Amino acid sequence: GENVEQHPSTLSVQEGDSAVIKCTYSDSASNYFPWYKQELGKRPQLIIDIRSNVGEKKDQRIAVTLNKTAKHFSLHITETQPEDSAVYFCAASKVAGNQFYFGTGTSLTVIP
Amino acid sequence: DSGVTQTPKHLITATGQRVTLRCSPRSGDLSVYWYQQSLDQGLQFLIQYYNGEERAKGNILERFSAQQFPDLHSELNLSSLELGDSALYFCASSVDGQGIQYFGAGTRLSVL
Repeated sequence: GENVEQHPSTLSVQEGDSAVIKCTYSDSASNYFPWYKQELGKRPQLIIDIRSNVGEKKDQRIAVTLNKTAKHFSLHITETQPEDSAVYFCAASKVAGNQFYFGTGTSLTVIP
Repeated sequence: DSGVTQTPKHLITATGQRVTLRCSPRSGDLSVYWYQQSLDQGLQFLIQYYNGEERAKGNILERFSAQQFPDLHSELNLSSLELGDSALYFCASSVDGQGIQYFGAGTRLSVL
């Protein structure tokens, strides 16, 4: 089955700096890669996703890049704000079946 | 609000007992997923249903079972509960089992 690894497990940045979280996956058939943000005690919420037919997607301060050859994808948050503090999960999935394989999460702290 | 409804929000029970968690997917969504999130842990996929039928099975214990009813709501049954079953249980839904998953607010289960 698919194996998704996520790094780092914790990340602290100063407000205004950028944050980068990286994930690797093992199954080359995976073709959908969402990122979820989970604030303490709340539900995971989708913040951005990318499909394997594109290499990069951007939404305001958030971007995701995908390297299919190397089987890794990354989340980039620019101009970080305290409200970006949360746990971020990456996931990989194949369109058929749509079982998500989640990474172990990155706890991001943005220091004011 | 994601549109996915989970009840109850909190459940406190004793070891050896049995509980049922309920999930109503977003209107129009045919697929339901169950996840377990233990303290400081990632999201562990348990099981997926699509239009009433089991589609994928993850790390679900034999003491656990689930089903999706004709009205598409789903129930997760946990029996012979152990202390280690204490966790947040999330339900998610998607339209066709091939895209974005929307998470409910979760049920926090405490086994004492």
